[in-house]
Amino acid sequence: LAKTTQPISMDSYEGQEVNITCSHNNIATNDYITWYQQFPSQGPRFIIQGYKTKVTNEVASLFIPADRKSSTLSLPRVSLSDTAVYYCLVGDMTGTASKLTFGTGTRLQVTL
Amino acid sequence: DARVTQTPRDKVTEMGQEVTMRCQPILGHNTVFWYRQTMMQGLELLAYFRNRAPLDDSGMPKDRFSAEMPDATLATLKIQPSEPRDSAVYFCASGSSGRGNEQFFGPGTRLTVL
Repeated sequence: LAKTTQPISMDSYEGQEVNITCSHNNIATNDYITWYQQFPSQGPRFIIQGYKTKVTNEVASLFIPADRKSSTLSLPRVSLSDTAVYYCLVGDMTGTASKLTFGTGTRLQVTL
Repeated sequence: DARVTQTPRDKVTEMGQEVTMRCQPILGHNTVFWYRQTMMQGLELLAYFRNRAPLDDSGMPKDRFSAEMPDATLATLKIQPSEPRDSAVYFCASGSSGRGNEQFFGPGTRLTVL
């Protein structure tokens, strides 16, 4: 059971790069690292996923060091619409006994 | 645009009543999850199914909650009898095994038990 730890909240100005780090010291060999974004009154939305090294897509980058005990979600040039709660999830839903646990999430506030 | 659908979107009921929430996963997804979200506890995994078989329901109060997948297009979460502490938003999500933790969430059912 890979418990995750994230900062409770972060503030940023529009246009800046935001990096949110998640600690997961007990990550298992088969576990993936996945980040979700949640707006009020909506379900979480998948942002990005990785297993090791670096992954980049059109909205974010995910950096994973060699030991995989942490990961960093990088949001380039945030806008007001990026204000949301960001969750780090570690696990593997293909496992028969895996228990996927969302952390408390990081509340990102973007202002002008 | 494939989406997970949930019904009802909102439900207000009185303590002791039975509540049934329904979820239609994305066609082709073989894994379905039920989560509960509250301000105090955050997102909690209640149960999940793969290929319609329950794999883990350890997060669910067994005495009053039950989850089933009568077919590949329908997942249900039932609470009987409901209690005020069950008030929360219940999310269903679906995904495909082999794609890590990529889950697609529905809009949720907001349950209020008076």
